[in-house]
Amino acid sequence: QKEVEQNSGPLSVPEGAIASLNCTYSDRVSQSFFWYRQYSGKSPELIMSIYSNGDKEDGRFTAQLNKASQYVSLLIRDSQPSDSATYLCAVNRKTGNQFYFGTGTSLTVIP
Amino acid sequence: KAGVTQTPRYLIKTRGQQVTLSCSPISGHRSVSWYQQTPGQGLQFLFEYFSETQRNKGNFPGRFSGRQFSNSRSEMNVSTLELGDSALYLCASSGPGQGIDGYTFGSGTRLTVV
Repeated sequence: QKEVEQNSGPLSVPEGAIASLNCTYSDRVSQSFFWYRQYSGKSPELIMSIYSNGDKEDGRFTAQLNKASQYVSLLIRDSQPSDSATYLCAVNRKTGNQFYFGTGTSLTVIP
Repeated sequence: KAGVTQTPRYLIKTRGQQVTLSCSPISGHRSVSWYQQTPGQGLQFLFEYFSETQRNKGNFPGRFSGRQFSNSRSEMNVSTLELGDSALYLCASSGPGQGIDGYTFGSGTRLTVV
């Protein structure tokens, strides 16, 4: 079982819709969770982090964490074509202080 | 402040050669991690250095090695290159709050082995 799993997609949504990206992780002691966005040919950039159960909102982005079910999700409201990218979920365990990445979900926002 | 700087941006090497990649972290960051990214495998962890010591290591063969200098700059070396080593190599730096702040990635070095 992989440490972090994501649906690879591709996920296509129309402009203005809500895009929902999901991620599950295997280790219950995982403590912090991150979403990175990676445009084609570019390096990943951090867009959201979350540590506590519940929702965290930042502009059009909302991260949701459910530790009991071991999943993290990212909602993008009012999706724009510029949101078209691969979204990587990452999990940090305090033990070993190491990050584990999912393989990413490719999102396309259709104008 | 300056971000994470990786050099060179692009490299073309021949099978059997060796290559050295460089990474300068954000000022004040002492942890440098290296990842290999390929379309099929995603981001794969190579190793992490902290204060000149390798703190974590991924499942890569011994041909992949690294080091960190006293100024936190890090180098990664791949010897006896194979075609399968063609990938984007990413360096990420993190500070004391990495569990909260996450990584900052450099622009990467795209290595092509022919």
